[in-house]
Amino acid sequence: AQSVTQLGSHVSVSEGALVLLRCNYSSSVPPYLFWYVQYPNQGLQLLLKYTTGATLVKGINGFEAEFKKSETSFHLTKPSAHMSDAAEYFCAVSVSAGGGNKLTFGTGTQLKVEL
Amino acid sequence: DGGITQSPKYLFRKEGQNVTLSCEQNLNHDAMYWYRQDPGQGLRLIYYSQIVNDFQKGDIAEGYSVSREKKESFPLTVTSAQKNPTAFYLCASSPRTGYNEQFFGPGTRLTVL
Repeated sequence: AQSVTQLGSHVSVSEGALVLLRCNYSSSVPPYLFWYVQYPNQGLQLLLKYTTGATLVKGINGFEAEFKKSETSFHLTKPSAHMSDAAEYFCAVSVSAGGGNKLTFGTGTQLKVEL
Repeated sequence: DGGITQSPKYLFRKEGQNVTLSCEQNLNHDAMYWYRQDPGQGLRLIYYSQIVNDFQKGDIAEGYSVSREKKESFPLTVTSAQKNPTAFYLCASSPRTGYNEQFFGPGTRLTVL
């Protein structure tokens, strides 16, 4: 069975600083990996996804993530944080089998951006 | 506009009452999902359906029931058997094959008094 670990339930950065949110996964087969963002009392919005091909994936709002198979990681980064990036971020893994898919989510990382 | 709607946004119920949460999508997706979100626990899968008239239990199905009579609708009933129903509930949908991305609705916050 697959699983996802997000290190750090809360991360705080200064505006303009690098954002790094960590995600490690466990999967017995090649995974599909996702990062979602959630603003308070809202649903989840897809930031980016890795399926196959290029291991560096670019998403919306200037975020990107790199799939590293040897490290079983899919960390999310953004070069310069903005106040509007304050939200909760979820990493998820999917293993498709027999049609349809189920996502397994990490417990989330709350990002705080300070002036 | 295509998307997923959940209603109501906030719902209050007395303990012991069943309550049904609505989820509708006009994305023509075959698969639909219900998640429960609690602080610090991420999202946990309650039920999912890959096709009309068929659904499967997720990781925390006890105390919940669903139906899938129409492709666009996947209502969730929180029964009185659910011991701790107060939570944020999220509905999602995806194409059945070829894609693994799920699209989420805005959620319903259920409070049981």
